[in-house]
Amino acid sequence: GQNIDQPTEMTATEGAIVQINCTYQTSGFNGLFWYQQHAGEAPTFLSYNVLDGLEEKGRFSSFLSRSKGYSYLLLKELQMKDSASYLCAVHYYNNNDMRFGAGTRLTVKP
Amino acid sequence: SAVISQKPSRDICQRGTSLTIQCQVDSQVTMMFWYRQQPGQSLTLIATANQGSEATYESGFVIDKFPISRPNLTFSTLTVSNMSPEDSSIYLCSAGGQGDEQYFGPGTRLTVT
Repeated sequence: GQNIDQPTEMTATEGAIVQINCTYQTSGFNGLFWYQQHAGEAPTFLSYNVLDGLEEKGRFSSFLSRSKGYSYLLLKELQMKDSASYLCAVHYYNNNDMRFGAGTRLTVKP
Repeated sequence: SAVISQKPSRDICQRGTSLTIQCQVDSQVTMMFWYRQQPGQSLTLIATANQGSEATYESGFVIDKFPISRPNLTFSTLTVSNMSPEDSSIYLCSAGGQGDEQYFGPGTRLTVT
């Protein structure tokens, strides 16, 4: 199976830091994606981790540990516009297939 | 990055009819996919659209219900056949190169009455 688990909802305060975890039970995948999806819109790419470790891109960072079977997305200096769903997806290279978690709905409050 | 457009953006259809959704990419891509996203849920892969051959369907999805075409490297269609209210959903096309990130179209919001 490819169980991909994320918390359903999270709430954080503007200006704070939040970590969204994603655990998975699969192997043989190429990498792990994080996407952001605002209500009523298509998902947009945030990050892609192939190697273990932390990838930083501005306010967003993503971490992968294959041995521990988990990833996280770290959002710093939260802004109101960061209120959205965050989807992690396991990526298989051979057919470019992606399997998505259920998504985490983040609400940023003033 | 690839820019992907979909038509129609939304539609309201009657039970028993069929709707064809078009997906156009602004550059040639190796892989194209169709996803469904039901209200409040994450994305579920329907099928991989293969250029020049039959699509590869995921468990729970069949060609008779969701016929797919991909005549070239920039275009694909998904038909939702003999629709029922359970087919009400957002249908998303995505595209990417082998091993690359996938880009998503804006989606087609389908309501079946």
